[in-house]
Amino acid sequence: RKEVEQDPGPFNVPEGATVAFNCTYSNSASQSFFWYRQDCRKEPKLLMSVYSSGNEDGRFTAQLNRASQYISLLIRDSKLSDSATYLCVVNIFDFGNEKLTFGTGTRLTIIP
Amino acid sequence: GAVVSQHPSWVICKSGTSVKIECRSLDFQATTMFWYRQFPKQSLMLMATSNEGSKATYEQGVEKDKFLINHASLTLSTLTVTSAHPEDSSFYICSARDMVGSPHYGYTFGSGTRLTVV
Repeated sequence: RKEVEQDPGPFNVPEGATVAFNCTYSNSASQSFFWYRQDCRKEPKLLMSVYSSGNEDGRFTAQLNRASQYISLLIRDSKLSDSATYLCVVNIFDFGNEKLTFGTGTRLTIIP
Repeated sequence: GAVVSQHPSWVICKSGTSVKIECRSLDFQATTMFWYRQFPKQSLMLMATSNEGSKATYEQGVEKDKFLINHASLTLSTLTVTSAHPEDSSFYICSARDMVGSPHYGYTFGSGTRLTVV
């Protein structure tokens, strides 16, 4: 089983729609959680950190369920510029060392 | 915010030659930097963790004699792909985190180096 699993998509949704991504992780020692966005042939860029209490940044809402080891990202009123690959990322702390583990990414295309 | 500079952005080299990739933290000190590799349509795979002043820690399956990592200062880590072959062609990305801040702030990535070995 992969340490971080995501639906690879692709998700093709019309502009203005709401889209949700899910992610599960297997290591219960995971301590920090993130959604990154990666555009084609570019480096990943932090979209938002994910907290147990849930957090929102404009049109983006992230949720974390530690008991179920599940992370979600909701994008409302999607824009053309939201087209990208969304990476679920988990940071594991192990004996003082940190290690980021990436999901395979979910590809999103917003259709005009 | 934290900025990580990576050079070169792309490089084409002949099979058997070596290529050095640099990763610099511009406005923070990074005692630890991470090197990733990404093949087309795949996710980032951690290759090694680079620690300032000590030996790098390599992930299972990554040849330490082929991928030489040097982290001689708090702001610079280098990855050298030695005796490169076409199968080493990939997108190499470094990342670092300002250790002064919370881990919840996330990591910053360099812009990546696209290596093509011909």
